[in-house]
Amino acid sequence: DGGITQSPKYLFRKEGQNVTLSCEQNLNHDAMYWYRQDPGQGLRLIYYSQIVNDFQKGDIAEGYSVSREKKESFPLTVTSAQKNPTAFYLCASSPGAWSYGYTFGSGTRLTVV
Amino acid sequence: QQPVQSPQAVILREGEDAVINCSSSKALYSVHWYRQKHGEAPVFLMILLKGGEQKGHEKISASFNEKKQQSSLYLTASQLSYSGTYFCGTVDSGGGADGLTFGKGTHLIIQP
Repeated sequence: DGGITQSPKYLFRKEGQNVTLSCEQNLNHDAMYWYRQDPGQGLRLIYYSQIVNDFQKGDIAEGYSVSREKKESFPLTVTSAQKNPTAFYLCASSPGAWSYGYTFGSGTRLTVV
Repeated sequence: QQPVQSPQAVILREGEDAVINCSSSKALYSVHWYRQKHGEAPVFLMILLKGGEQKGHEKISASFNEKKQQSSLYLTASQLSYSGTYFCGTVDSGGGADGLTFGKGTHLIIQP
């Protein structure tokens, strides 16, 4: 079955470290997205990519970086510049940008220790 | 800018109906609706596009008033499985440069 896979499910990071969250999809979707979810805040867009080798900043891109070297993969790096990284991170994909529903991965819960 | 959802929470008895509203300050290209259960990923319910097209795969209905920049999700004859947090997401009609922006969610509890 096609789907979108995020790993790891839980991640612990020490302050000052960079960590990379994996997101892989086999749905042949062109567009991929990263969202951050905090309690009571809904989902906030970090980065999105509509095509390979191109991506755009969302509302809260500071302290994060992404790459889109392959259609199937859209990893997110949480850098030490992100002051409050503890959150639930969700990756999503869709066939195109704004006219299709999103398929979400099961998420990565990142905790800074 | 984040769309505003109302109500923030609602408690229903099984079989009752509910309406969840989503309002934006911007002209919209599309409105999305998702349901998320605790600790799980959001699940796509429906997308409503400017011009009247709708796409979805659940037995849930919704409306989109383009002039008022508002959308409503209608849950009829609610079932226990409808419990969760409902999010609307909006794409503005200015090319979507801001991406899909979600509201803060509406918590729905269905009691037997």
